[in-house]
Amino acid sequence: EDQVTQSPEALRLQEGESSSLNCSYTVSGLRGLFWYRQDPGKGPEFLFTLYSAGEEKEKERLKATLTKKESFLHITAPKPEDSATYLCAPNRDDKIIFGKGTRLHILP
Amino acid sequence: GAVVSQHPSWVICKSGTSVKIECRSLDFQATTMFWYRQFPKQSLMLMATSNEGSKATYEQGVEKDKFLINHASLTLSTLTVTSAHPEDSSFYICSARMIQGLSYNEQFFGPGTRLTVL
Repeated sequence: EDQVTQSPEALRLQEGESSSLNCSYTVSGLRGLFWYRQDPGKGPEFLFTLYSAGEEKEKERLKATLTKKESFLHITAPKPEDSATYLCAPNRDDKIIFGKGTRLHILP
Repeated sequence: GAVVSQHPSWVICKSGTSVKIECRSLDFQATTMFWYRQFPKQSLMLMATSNEGSKATYEQGVEKDKFLINHASLTLSTLTVTSAHPEDSSFYICSARMIQGLSYNEQFFGPGTRLTVL
């Protein structure tokens, strides 16, 4: 059975305090892994696609990495506007399997 | 690029009525669109996958006669919640998957529709 586990469930950081979010997955027929950001009351916003182990992608203060069983979203020197829920989403041919997300709150 | 819109953004209806939600890909063609439901503080749950010109594929436990999906064109899919009841109140989100170049399977999401059934 496909499983996606994100940790921690929630994370509070001071502005400028770097950290990492974890996504562990077991998905059959994997075709890449997506990261999305979701703000309250809005649809997910696409951040990254990672296709193979060892791949890294960066966007502003975010960097996503991928291994065969895990993906990490590193956030460097975050700002309050980075507060959101970050969703890990391994992709199969037919659908995305969403994790429950990590609620990130950056304190000014 | 890759913008998906939904209409309406919120709707309140009486129990027993039907509600239609539209999902449009504005700047790309989407042969496949997906409908999700999200309850407070939970992740997105896939309801169904629709391919242009064919019947939707529903996830286990989703009533196809209650959640009618039509994908009549490469830029439009609709979800109709028939005979809505309070337990159908939720946040409904659509996504569209483009087939273009190397980015052939990312899904881009609409802003969501908040449905409240009284």
